[in-house]
This record gives sequence, C-alpha cells and structure tokens, in this order.
Amino acid sequence: AQRVTQPEKLLSVFKGAPVELKCNYSYSGSPELFWYVQYSRQRLQLLLRHISRESIKGFTADLNKGETSFHLKKPFAQEEDSAMYYCALSGGGGGNKLTFGTGTQLKVEL
Amino acid sequence: EAGVAQSPRYKIIEKRQSVAFWCNPISGHATLYWYQQILGQGPKLLIQFQNNGVVDDSQLPKDRFSAERLKGVDSTLKIQPAKLEDSAVYLCASSTPGGFWGYTFGSGTRLTVV
Repeated sequence: AQRVTQPEKLLSVFKGAPVELKCNYSYSGSPELFWYVQYSRQRLQLLLRHISRESIKGFTADLNKGETSFHLKKPFAQEEDSAMYYCALSGGGGGNKLTFGTGTQLKVEL
Repeated sequence: EAGVAQSPRYKIIEKRQSVAFWCNPISGHATLYWYQQILGQGPKLLIQFQNNGVVDDSQLPKDRFSAERLKGVDSTLKIQPAKLEDSAVYLCASSTPGGFWGYTFGSGTRLTVV
C-alpha cells in the first residue's frame, strides 16, 4: 500500500524566512513524487516533480529514499507563496494514479 | 488551451437523493480521473478511465457510485443514494498517458449532503 504523510496542517512563517514543508511516504517500489499547490480560489496545480529536479518559483524538493522523504524547501518565503500544498506519490507503471497527503497550509506573514 | 470543465460548481441535496456531476477534459487527453476530496484530507482517486475503458475503480463505492465515459470524452459521476459522508469536493482531472506535466485538474464540484 502507498501512503503519504504531511505532519503539519499549518505552517506560518514571516516573509523572507526559510520554508520547509515536510513529506514522508511509504511505498515498496520506486515511486514518483510530486508537490501540488492550490492558491486561494484556484484549482489544484502541479508545482514540481522529483524526476525533473527543477526549481519552480524558488521551491526545490529532493527525494531522499533512505528517509523516504520529499520535503519542499524555499530559502526566502514570499507573501504570494501562501497556499495549500499537497505532496503526492505515484507508483508508476503507467497508471498515473496519485496518492495525496492531507496537505499543509502555508501562511506567509508580513 | 481550455482547461478541465466541471459542473455544477456547487450542489446541496438531502440524504438518499441522487446527484450527477459532469466533466469535460482537455481536448486530446485520453486519461480521465475522478477524485473525492473530503474536508481536511487530500484528494482520493475514485476512478480512472483510459478513453472509455476503466483502468482503476478499486476505491469507488460501487453500491452507490457509478461513472461512465461512453464516447471517451465527457464523463459523468453519479451518486445514488447519497449519504451524509459523501459531502466533499469532487475533482475531475485529465492527462495524456504518462503525462504528469499535462495532468490538469478542474475546479471541482462541492457537494453538501444534508
């Protein structure tokens, strides 16, 4: 069975402070990991995936297979980063089924 | 490019009534998904279609939920009869096979069962 855990429901940081949103997963094979973001009154959208190893909007995430983690990081939080963030996992195999965590609400305060 | 369209945006029904949701995916996307998102939880896959065939419906409560995608384009999700615990946002998504960057979600239908 595959599972994604996001331990924090709410993370509040000041503008300019570093951000780390935690994500741990459970999967027996080689998963693909993703971060999705949902801004207020907008639809869920893909932020980044571990395979791409890109930095999107200043966010990065590294897959740590030893710790089964995929934490999302940004060195300096911006007010526009305030949103709901979901970590998601796909077991691959072409099915593209996504298993989501419960989400973390990031609030960036001035 | 037009996004994934869903309707209605909101629906309030009494328990034991029936309800249907509609989804129109992005043109050319062969794969269509229905997710259920209960308040405070992440989205959970209910059913996945590849063209008009079902790929995965293992988490669909088949005693009350049904879904179809007859012509491989639009899809409808139905609940009959509804229960209080069905109150949730129902999200539709579509993608090209294997295409996570093209995996696009609709705005969802918020269902309240009273």
